[in-house]
Amino acid sequence: EPEVTQTPSHQVTQMGQEVILRCVPISNHLYFYWYRQILGQKVEFLVSFYNNEISEKSEIFDDQFSVERPDGSNFTLKIRSTKLEDSAMYFCASSDPRALTDTQYFGPGTRLTVL
Amino acid sequence: AQSVAQPEDQVNVAEGNPLTVKCTYSVSGNPYLFWYVQYPNRGLQFLLKYITGDNLVKGSYGFEAEFNKSQTSFHLKKPSALVSDSALYFCAVSPRAGNNRKLIWGLGTSLAVNP
Repeated sequence: EPEVTQTPSHQVTQMGQEVILRCVPISNHLYFYWYRQILGQKVEFLVSFYNNEISEKSEIFDDQFSVERPDGSNFTLKIRSTKLEDSAMYFCASSDPRALTDTQYFGPGTRLTVL
Repeated sequence: AQSVAQPEDQVNVAEGNPLTVKCTYSVSGNPYLFWYVQYPNRGLQFLLKYITGDNLVKGSYGFEAEFNKSQTSFHLKKPSALVSDSALYFCAVSPRAGNNRKLIWGLGTSLAVNP
C-alpha cells in the first residue's frame, strides 16, 4: 500500500540555522500539507499546497517558512532561521481531491529539536 | 473560533469490553469528520471519516463512529476492545469552506486496553 515518507526522522539543529524537512507524498496525490505538533499540544495546520502554489496557510506559517515541490516526487518545508519554539514533530500529508473521500494520509513525522 | 474537543485525556478499558472515545466539535456548516490513530513512534493513521449519509460509519480494525449533528459529536466506538488497540486517538474536523481542506485537531485521547 502506498504511503507518505518523511526524512529525516529526527533533526537536531542550533537556533538560527536553516533546516529543510523532506517528504515524499503518495505518487498520484495532488494536495500536500504540513502540520506540526509541539509536545503536549494539538496538531496544528501549517500550509497546504496544490498546483505548485500555496492553497492555504495558517498564522504560524510566517516568512520564516517556505514550501517547495522541487521535482515530481518531493515536497519540502524550509525553516530559514530556527527558533527554540520551532521544536516540534512535523507531519507531512497528501490527498487526492479527485477521490470521493479526499482523505489526508500522513507520514511518520520528523522530530525537530532546536537547541 | 473553530475547535475540536476530546474531553478525556485517557480512557481505560478491559480487553473484550466495548470502548468509546468522545469527540465534540465547534465548526460551522457541514464539516467532514475524521478519526486518526497514532501508535508509538508511528505517524497518524487514518481510521474512518464521516462526509454525509448514515450517521454510523465503519472504519479500519473494527472501529466505528457515530455522528450526532444536534450534539455536534462524533464518538469513536468499538464493540470489543483488544490490547493491540492501545494507542493515541485523534479526532479531526475539516471545515470544507471553499478550498479549505485544513484539519482542525483535538488534543488526543490515550486509550489503554488492559488484558
